[in-house]
Amino acid sequence: EVQLQESGGGLVQPGRSLRLSCAASGFTVGAYAMHWVRQVPGKGLEWVSTITWAGGFIAYADSVRGRFATSRDNAKKYLYLQMNDLRPDDTAFYYCAKDSLHSVSGALDSWGPGTLVSVSS
Amino acid sequence: QSALTQPASVSGSPGQSITISCAGTSDDIGSHDLVSWYQQYPGKAPKLIIFEVSQRPSGVSVRFSASKSGNTASLSISGLQAEDEADYYCCSYVGSTTSVVFGGGTKVTVL
Repeated sequence: EVQLQESGGGLVQPGRSLRLSCAASGFTVGAYAMHWVRQVPGKGLEWVSTITWAGGFIAYADSVRGRFATSRDNAKKYLYLQMNDLRPDDTAFYYCAKDSLHSVSGALDSWGPGTLVSVSS
Repeated sequence: QSALTQPASVSGSPGQSITISCAGTSDDIGSHDLVSWYQQYPGKAPKLIIFEVSQRPSGVSVRFSASKSGNTASLSISGLQAEDEADYYCCSYVGSTTSVVFGGGTKVTVL
């Protein structure tokens, strides 16, 4: 059974940093692209970042480019999201999700339960 | 990276059929067949219900069907049931940026 579990969320002051982790199991982690998607409570889904199977290509939404960095450790079966210079509008639930392909298809066939990041002074 | 356009809400009575539209551009929906749809209940993570425009993952009800025409994709739910009351999001691959874009979401209400 595919399982994804995010961790690392919490309350942080504006301008500070936070690192999210996503533990993956139940599939060959290194064979699939992975994504970060966020959702402001009560609002819609927003794509944040995508990393291909070996980490050779990483894409970011305009809203986070230059502040967030995605990486993965296939040997440890982890996905990471380093979030720097956090802003109040970064407050959201952050989900990690598995793509159905090793490249990027947009078919996110497994999701973690999400972790809440709150940015406030 | 503009979001795909969905109606904010759609409603129907039990047993009826409804359709949710998802309008994009020639850079996303119109340029390939990598359109997916997600169902989300309150407080839960989204669930993939359609991929590659019209394919259903194993275990997804046949009452869910989808299609695409030009720059617009559509999700239909037939034989509407109370359990279908949820938020639905469309999503498209964007080849020019190797990224993904979601629609704003549609709240389906079963009357």
